[in-house]
Amino acid sequence: EAGVTQFPSHSVIEKGQTVTLRCDPISGHDNLYWYRRVMGKEIKFLLHFVKESKQDESGMPNNRFLAERTGGTYSTLKVQPAELEDSGVYFCASSQDVAGTSTDTQYFGPGTRLTVL
Amino acid sequence: LAKTTQPISMDSYEGQEVNITCSHNNIATNDYITWYQQFPSQGPRFIIQGYKTKVTNEVASLFIPADRKSSTLSLPRVSLSDTAVYYCLVGPFNQAGTALIFGKGTTLSVSS
Repeated sequence: EAGVTQFPSHSVIEKGQTVTLRCDPISGHDNLYWYRRVMGKEIKFLLHFVKESKQDESGMPNNRFLAERTGGTYSTLKVQPAELEDSGVYFCASSQDVAGTSTDTQYFGPGTRLTVL
Repeated sequence: LAKTTQPISMDSYEGQEVNITCSHNNIATNDYITWYQQFPSQGPRFIIQGYKTKVTNEVASLFIPADRKSSTLSLPRVSLSDTAVYYCLVGPFNQAGTALIFGKGTTLSVSS
């Protein structure tokens, strides 16, 4: 079974430019999460999708960040315009919502390293 | 979600058993304890999860005392490849959609 994939693995952009990160969750996983780690900080939650609906976007830092999950499959996270403080590693995770189970294991992708110059 | 406290770093040698203890004094009744492992340039990977007593899988064991205010991740006979950051997380993980809150984790260094 393929794991969570993210594209690109690295992105270097200039301040003010736009970048779009993509996440493909594990097939059949309804839950999709975005997290990020900025330099020297802990991994922080950004938002959570259930299928195509945003369930919790309390961690989104500001309106320069836009996440979508059209069709409930892959998701994109767009940063427009990018600022220096957006540099970091962006992780995507997915989980399967199975009724009656006692765990909700989140499977993480390898991350996208974003550098804003 | 309950705050967790764990050592910043630990050192070990190959073949030894490593125990990493995590404190979570404010754990709620419906909270579970979950441990993730992260290698450099990779995303966190689920290791083990438990609610009380002891849980064991092919990778590790998790010991949880009766008061559940702490837990210990036990890695038997570590190898160099176990060098990683280990995160202890506490939350209602029996329901989907729970945002994971990561602390600094414990950096385990295994030497030969």
